[in-house]
Amino acid sequence: EVQMLESGGALVQPGKSLRLSCVASGFTFSSYAMSWVRQAPGKGLEWVSGIGGSGGNTYYADSVKGRFTISRDNSKNTLYLQMNSLRAEDTAVYYCAKFGDCSGGNCYSYFQHWGQGTLVTVSS
Amino acid sequence: QSALTQPASVSGSPGQSITISCTGTSSDVGGYNYVSWYQQHPGKAPKLIIYHVSYRPSGVSNRFSGSKSGNTASLTISGLQTEDEADYYCSSFTSTTTLYVFGTGTEVTVL
Repeated sequence: EVQMLESGGALVQPGKSLRLSCVASGFTFSSYAMSWVRQAPGKGLEWVSGIGGSGGNTYYADSVKGRFTISRDNSKNTLYLQMNSLRAEDTAVYYCAKFGDCSGGNCYSYFQHWGQGTLVTVSS
Repeated sequence: QSALTQPASVSGSPGQSITISCTGTSSDVGGYNYVSWYQQHPGKAPKLIIYHVSYRPSGVSNRFSGSKSGNTASLTISGLQTEDEADYYCSSFTSTTTLYVFGTGTEVTVL
């Protein structure tokens, strides 16, 4: 059974940093691209960042580019999101999501599995 | 990158069919067959119900179906049931620098 467990969410002041982790199990972690998706309270889903299976390719939403860094440790089956210079508008539940297989050569075409999320609150 | 456009809410009676639209551009919905749909119940994580426009994952009811025409994708729920009450989001791979985009979300109410 595929499982992903996020951790690291907390209450943090504006301008500070936080690192989220997502430990995955039930599949060959290094074979799949992974992503972070967030959802502000009462709002819709927002894609945040994605990373290829080897970790060599990374992608970011314009809203977090230059502030957030996605990475992975395939030896630990763990995905990370380093969040710097946090703002109030970064307040959200952050979900770890596993992309589907590389159908048709695209490894980033849909989110097959989701974690339960971790809450990040940015407030003074 | 702007979000894909969905109606804020759609409602129907048990047993009826409803359709949710998802409008993007030629850079996302219209340019690729990589539209997917997600169901989210309150307080829960999203769940994949349709991928690659019209494919259903194993275990998802065949009452859910997807299609696409031009820059607009659609999700149809037939034989509406009370457990279908949830928020639904479309999404698409995009050729812009941001890689991926979600829809604005649609709240489905079963009357």
